[in-house]
This record gives sequence, C-alpha cells and structure tokens, in this order.
Amino acid sequence: EVQLLESGGGLLQPGGSLRLSCAASGFTFSSHAMTWVRQAPGKGLERVSTISGSGDGTLYGDSVRGRFTISRDNSKNTVYLQMNSLRAEDTAVYYCAKHNGDGHGSAFFQHWGQGTLVTVSS
Amino acid sequence: EIVLTQSPGTLSLSPGERATLFCRASQSVSSNYLAWYQQKPGQAPRLLIYGGSSRATGIPDRFSGSGSGTDFTLTISRLEPEDFAVYCCQQYDNSPLTFGGGTKVEIK
Repeated sequence: EVQLLESGGGLLQPGGSLRLSCAASGFTFSSHAMTWVRQAPGKGLERVSTISGSGDGTLYGDSVRGRFTISRDNSKNTVYLQMNSLRAEDTAVYYCAKHNGDGHGSAFFQHWGQGTLVTVSS
Repeated sequence: EIVLTQSPGTLSLSPGERATLFCRASQSVSSNYLAWYQQKPGQAPRLLIYGGSSRATGIPDRFSGSGSGTDFTLTISRLEPEDFAVYCCQQYDNSPLTFGGGTKVEIK
C-alpha cells in the first residue's frame, strides 16, 4: 500500500524558515517524480515544486522560486521542501503527491499525503 | 502557463440527478493530459480521471470524463450522497502543471 506521510508544518513568523518532509512507502520511490502542492485556506490547489525520480531535475512555481528548495533522499524514501523567507501568503496546507511515473505525461496524482499546515503570521 | 477555467462555480443538484462539469484550457492540452479530482473538506484530493477519460483505480463507473483540445467534461451520471464535494481539473501536458479553480457540487 502506498503511503505518504508529511511532517514539519507549524506556525511561524514572516521571514522564517521551515523544512517539510514527506516519507514514502509502498512503491519504488526513485522511479517516481514527486510534487509538493499547496492549498491556501478556502482556495484552490497550487503546484509548488516538483523533483524528478533521480533528483536531478527540479521545477518551481513562480511564487516560490528562489525561496523554496525541493530535494529528495532516495535512500530514505523521503522528499523535502526547504522553505525560506516565508510570507503570509505562503500560509496553506502542503501536500506531497506521487507522480504516476517519472516522465512526461506522468504528472497526475493517484496518491497524496494527508497534508501539513503551515501558518505564517506575526 | 495553461490556465484552466472551470464552470459552473457551483452546481446545486439533488441526489440521483446528473452532474456535468466543465474545464476549459487557455490552450490545447495535447494527448488529453487532463485529470479530475474530487476533494472533500479536510481531505486530500482524490484522483477520479486521468488521460481525459480513464477512470482511476476504484472509481465508480458513474464518473466519466470526456473532451479534447481545450474543452473537457466530467460527468457524474447519478449523484450519490457521497458525491457532493468540490471537483478540480488539472493539466499535466505543459509545465507548470496547473489546476482549475474548482466546481462545488452541493445538495439542492
């Protein structure tokens, strides 16, 4: 059974930093790209960042580029999101999601984590 | 960036009725790389449809997807009580992958 378990969310002040983790199990982790998706309160879904199965390729949304860094440790079956210079508008539930594979046309999400809430407020 | 516009914003229907939801893309989505998700309050999205029309594992056949190019449709043939939720489309043809704003299906 595929499981994705996020951790690391919390309440912090603007300008702060946080690292989210997503521990995966139940599949060959390195064969799947992974994406962080966020959802601000009452809003829709927004792709934050994507990392390829090998970790060599990364993509970022315009709103987080230069502030957030995605990485993965395939030996630990874990993907991370390092979030720096946090802003109030980064407040959201952050989900990690497993791609169907690792290539073009695989970026739809059968499996999601339960989400972790990040609140940025003074 | 491909912008996905969903309509209507809210659909008020009764159990047993047919629901038709629309997703329009700002440019063509090739290979029908379009997915639909259902989301209930406090829960992660649930994949319903991928590839425009393929049902995900475990999804009842009352859910169907159709369309191509820029216009896609999600149909729920007969609404069950558990189907009242928010539905969202997502394209994965072009980077960045993008989501529509959602359609809320509520009980009339």
